[in-house]
Amino acid sequence: KNEVEQSPQNLTAQEGEFITINCSYSVGISALHWLQQHPGGGIVSLFMLSSGKKKHGRLIATINIQEKHSSLHITASHPRDSAVYICAVTGNQFYFGTGTSLTVIP
Amino acid sequence: NAGVMQNPRHLVRRRGQEARLRCSPMKGHSHVYWYRQLPEEGLKFMVYLQKENIIDESGMPKERFSAEFPKEGPSILRIQQVVRGDSAAYFCASSPPWGTGNTDTQYFGPGTRLTVL
Repeated sequence: KNEVEQSPQNLTAQEGEFITINCSYSVGISALHWLQQHPGGGIVSLFMLSSGKKKHGRLIATINIQEKHSSLHITASHPRDSAVYICAVTGNQFYFGTGTSLTVIP
Repeated sequence: NAGVMQNPRHLVRRRGQEARLRCSPMKGHSHVYWYRQLPEEGLKFMVYLQKENIIDESGMPKERFSAEFPKEGPSILRIQQVVRGDSAAYFCASSPPWGTGNTDTQYFGPGTRLTVL
């Protein structure tokens, strides 16, 4: 069993839809990260969370420490949001989810 | 302020050769992390370094792989006697020193894609 599980693995949405990607983890952590990997392979760090909620533009990330769960929301999705979204946690070690591949169709 | 730089972006090696991957962290950052992404797989942590120190190398293969982050110059990930299974994208990330920012926030480089023939 992976220390970090993401769902769904693949997601296709129509432009404008509200999108949610979920991440559950089973280890103690000091922080949780949401990363975005573009089709060209580059990785961008979107959020680092240790509690609560953060918002950046159309992106919202939440974390529930008690439930060991985080969600990444994208409002008013756009084709340029198409990418792989990766959840990662830092604790005693670094663990990554396998990613959620998002395709937003115009 | 330039971001994290990695070079080369693409590297082709034959089996048995050595591969050297370089990572220049963001200006002022003293923490460097190396990650590997095998084809069709997720990112895996390899090693965490500070200047002249290896902090955590729990993700490094026991043989053929080594990493350094000297006082001057970039961090180097070295793979000796490469095999086809080493073909992957290798990403470097950096974060600020303790006490000067949020060291949990990592800034990623563009990656080096290693192909072993």
